Amino acid sequence: GESVGLHLPTLSVQEGDNSIINCAYSNSASDYFIWYKQESGKGPQFIIDIRSNMDKRQGQRVTVLLNKTVKHLSLQIAATQPGDSAVYFCAENPYNQGGKLIFGQGTELSVKP
Amino acid sequence: NAGVTQTPKFQVLKTGQSMTLQCAQDMNHNSMYWYRQDPGMGLRLIYYSASEGTTDKGEVPNGYNVSRLNKREFSLRLESAAPSQTSVYFCASSEAARQGQSPLHFGNGTRLTVT
Repeated sequence: GESVGLHLPTLSVQEGDNSIINCAYSNSASDYFIWYKQESGKGPQFIIDIRSNMDKRQGQRVTVLLNKTVKHLSLQIAATQPGDSAVYFCAENPYNQGGKLIFGQGTELSVKP
Repeated sequence: NAGVTQTPKFQVLKTGQSMTLQCAQDMNHNSMYWYRQDPGMGLRLIYYSASEGTTDKGEVPNGYNVSRLNKREFSLRLESAAPSQTSVYFCASSEAARQGQSPLHFGNGTRLTVT
């Protein structure tokens, strides 16, 4: 399944499938990006980050891809599990704005058993 | 290791009342932040503290004050609550003194309703 950031805020996938959540960031001066997971009633939980000198970074079951040419960030979750159901959002850090993080509004991932 | 701890978890205030939201972190982080999260708005920075003894305004500071009591604790005060301050408030901390150098770690929030 695939989501395109703010325009498709809900992504529904089958358990065991791979998920791809997209984020179109706004500032070409952004040099650091973070993905967060937020479950209902909880605070955002850090998943993975990437700096602009990289185009891919892998974690446990997650991969972040960065395409600076089109200002696009994606989070890939392998073998999606029911516990992955949450809102996922990206944050960007434009180096020319005093280091303030800019957060996206997120995509809700729903995993069907 | 609790990470970032916020109290209270829930609060209901009447317009004009005051209260202080407490936050403490046990990760020895330099920077601490207060955000509010509203539906359709994403996280917005209220105030931050890059290091003990310093505080700076964020994107939406009006109606709030903060105190960086020591390296561990950063409190947010509403002097005269207004319905527009109904929100979920998150405290966060990061190792770096500047955002954009290390990830923020968040608490589980305070859900505030102002009637």
